[in-house]
Amino acid sequence: KAGVTQTPRYLIKTRGQQVTLSCSPISGHRSVSWYQQTPGQGLQFLFEYFSETQRNKGNFPGRFSGRQFSNSRSEMNVSTLELGDSALYLCASSRFSGGGGTQYFGPGTRLTVL
Amino acid sequence: TQLLEQSPQFLSIQEGENLTVYCNSSSVFSSLQWYRQEPGEGPVLLVTVVTGGEVKKLKRLTFQFGDARKDSSLHITAAQPGDTGLYLCAGKDNTDKLIFGTGTRLQVFP
Repeated sequence: KAGVTQTPRYLIKTRGQQVTLSCSPISGHRSVSWYQQTPGQGLQFLFEYFSETQRNKGNFPGRFSGRQFSNSRSEMNVSTLELGDSALYLCASSRFSGGGGTQYFGPGTRLTVL
Repeated sequence: TQLLEQSPQFLSIQEGENLTVYCNSSSVFSSLQWYRQEPGEGPVLLVTVVTGGEVKKLKRLTFQFGDARKDSSLHITAAQPGDTGLYLCAGKDNTDKLIFGTGTRLQVFP
């Protein structure tokens, strides 16, 4: 069974630009969660989508948004990029919402903001 | 805000040594998970503990959940180079969000 895939794997942007990251969950998984990982703050929860609805949200500004499509694929968008947005962005899929099942993580997208 | 502090932050040991990683919080968690993350990859779930006082073993790894469900430990016996990685604990808070610990970076030298 194919794992969670994330595209692109690496991305370089400049301040003020916007970016869209994509996540394809494991087949049959309807929950997709997004996390930001930085050396200083560690791994922090951004939001979770289940059946195209945002079910949970972390403490991030409104510049961070996401959506989920009917095939469970999810995208995350960051607008007006700041230097501090440089991070590894991970998505994780699971069969159930709210952490009710095992979360399987993708390899991440490394975003560098110059 | 629920926080999970891990100690030590870094650990560098020789193959064959034993080690323990701690995960502490002032908050109670309904469950606690341990993950290992290797460079260029996402975290991989090792174990989930649910009951206070619970002990789970996974080959040379032993996981314990504190009686009050505020802390946990991971003990590795006879560490091997393949154990090298970033170890993360994570607790589910009362809104079902996963709160990750600060991480312990383990390096095992042959």
